[in-house]
Amino acid sequence: DTGVSQDPRHKITKRGQNVTFRCDPISEHNRLYWYRQTLGQGPEFLTYFQNEAQLEKSRLLSDRFSAERPKGSFSTLEIQRTEQGDSAMYLCASSLFLDSNYGYTFGSGTRLTVV
Amino acid sequence: AQSVTQLGSHVSVSEGALVLLRCNYSSSVPPYLFWYVQYPNQGLQLLLKYTSAATLVKGITGFEPEFKKSETSFHLTKPSAHMSDAAEYFCAVSDRTNAGKSTFGDGTTLTVKP
Repeated sequence: DTGVSQDPRHKITKRGQNVTFRCDPISEHNRLYWYRQTLGQGPEFLTYFQNEAQLEKSRLLSDRFSAERPKGSFSTLEIQRTEQGDSAMYLCASSLFLDSNYGYTFGSGTRLTVV
Repeated sequence: AQSVTQLGSHVSVSEGALVLLRCNYSSSVPPYLFWYVQYPNQGLQLLLKYTSAATLVKGITGFEPEFKKSETSFHLTKPSAHMSDAAEYFCAVSDRTNAGKSTFGDGTTLTVKP
């Protein structure tokens, strides 16, 4: 069990550029969640997957955001045409389906700064 | 619908003193309640959890919950603060209808003075 890995840890990008983040969950975990955390606030739900199926997306996830989990293992979160308001920590978490209501294992996050 | 309110964005205690971090929640169905801790530039770590079956599951590092259903409160306590407890703490709520999604409070930053 190597935990949940996120890459990169930090990303600085110019407004209007596209960025992609990667999350590698704990290998046996079939649920994967993306959250966004802005300064001074708690994490806010963005989307989640069960295996490769994306089952729910928050209204926070505008059309510029897309997430995939192609083989039910790692996941990517892409932001197109970044805006300064996208600056935040993007957190990935994973759990077993049956344990989803008992808390997650979070990754260390990707901190995005849009300049 | 669920919501979480953490009372006090900053709490400062002296080393060895009692720690009390306050959280109030609302949930239309029996909730699952959590406390997470976040150290600078890191993700959140699950500290402890309380299930709707009234089974208390303790976590790590000496913290314990103070759960009062009648007050819909789920505070976090520790009898004696240690310097290493300095971090940000998040209360969260989920329930069986939410597919594991959690609603988080805005966090409380704990400072421990020597």
